[in-house]
Amino acid sequence: AQKITQTQPGMFVQEKEAVTLDCTYDTSDQSYGLFWYKQPSSGEMIFLIYQGSYDEQNATEGRYSLNFQKARKSANLVISASQLGDSAMYFCAMREGNDKLTFGKGTLLTVNP
Amino acid sequence: KAGVTQTPRYLIKTRGQQVTLSCSPISGHRSVSWYQQTPGQGLQFLFEYFSETQRNKGNFPGRFSGRQFSNSRSEMNVSTLELGDSALYLCASSFAWGSTDTQYFGPGTRLTVL
Repeated sequence: AQKITQTQPGMFVQEKEAVTLDCTYDTSDQSYGLFWYKQPSSGEMIFLIYQGSYDEQNATEGRYSLNFQKARKSANLVISASQLGDSAMYFCAMREGNDKLTFGKGTLLTVNP
Repeated sequence: KAGVTQTPRYLIKTRGQQVTLSCSPISGHRSVSWYQQTPGQGLQFLFEYFSETQRNKGNFPGRFSGRQFSNSRSEMNVSTLELGDSALYLCASSFAWGSTDTQYFGPGTRLTVL
């Protein structure tokens, strides 16, 4: 079974609008971390935001926020005020304890001017 | 603080050859992980090292191997290259080893096997 599911292969958003990228995860562990990364066409993976399983508040980093719904096993990324430079592939990832970091298949976001 | 560096950035090899890729983690980071990324298979985990010991291993054949040195730098080696080994190889480092530790990635090594 997939541990990380990203159901949106591609998303389009108008510049300056907000966009939500979906991520659901599957784990029976109590201790885990959730991560979002951005990968532009250049290939480098850029860390965006982290949410720990015990964190009660949703994580925020500038224009990025993580909508963490633990009971639903959901960790959606919200990008506010989209910019053209936000066009990239976005990956959701999870790490359970000391196990490996597992990635979803990604969502390709295109920001239109 | 300098980021994760990977060398070389681009590499062209022929089938049957072997290749060694290098990764220098962020200063102070003791964990290094390696990933293979291809259009067909996506991001696949290769292995993870912490304090010179392999802690996790992905489902790759024995042709893929790695090691970590006492200064936390890491190398991965692929022997008897196959066409399917053409990929972007990403290295990531983190301070420690666990679910709360963020992995920071290098720019990758793009390997082409002819």
